[in-house]
Amino acid sequence: AQSVAQPEDQVNVAEGNPLTVKCTYSVSGNPYLFWYVQYPNRGLQFLLKYITGDNLVKGSYGFEAEFNKSQTSFHLKKPSALVSDSALYFCAVRDGSNSGYALNFGKGTSLLVTP
Amino acid sequence: AAGVIQSPRHLIKEKRETATLKCYPIPRHDTVYWYQQGPGQDPQFLISFYEKMQSDKGSIPDRFSAQQFSDYHSELNMSSLELGDSALYFCASSLGQGKSYEQFFGPGTRLTVL
Repeated sequence: AQSVAQPEDQVNVAEGNPLTVKCTYSVSGNPYLFWYVQYPNRGLQFLLKYITGDNLVKGSYGFEAEFNKSQTSFHLKKPSALVSDSALYFCAVRDGSNSGYALNFGKGTSLLVTP
Repeated sequence: AAGVIQSPRHLIKEKRETATLKCYPIPRHDTVYWYQQGPGQDPQFLISFYEKMQSDKGSIPDRFSAQQFSDYHSELNMSSLELGDSALYFCASSLGQGKSYEQFFGPGTRLTVL
């Protein structure tokens, strides 16, 4: 079984400050980890992924995430938040060791960046 | 760049009616996934197809069925609709199940069952 936990329903950040959206995962095999962003009434947009290699992954719009195997975490970060980053962020996991390819999503974290 | 296309974007049905949702993957993508996102919920995987064959099955009700056609587009057929089926239905596509890992999502079809 595989699952993802996003412990924060909402994160509030002032514009220009660094932001972190937390994600922890649980898989029996190799974790393939993803971050998606969803704007109101829109589809999910892919931000970044970790499959293998460097633990620090850089993605779209200045976002990055750090894979930490010992803490089973994959937190999303950005050095300087923008008001336009306000959206719903989903962490997702897939077990790379089995044949299933469906993504398991966390409950989502609503990010609010205030001017 | 071309994206995943879903139609219709909005659909209103009565209880016990049927609905068909369509998904057109990104050109050359051969894998299609369907997800259901209820109000305030995370997307839940329903079913996927690779090269026109069902490849994985999630929490899809028996009242629903889906298929992938020779041109790789997919349709999700929903019968005996219930109020609880009201949700945003996403289709996603990817290139090969093992070659490309990220799934690209369409804008979704918002289904409202009255």
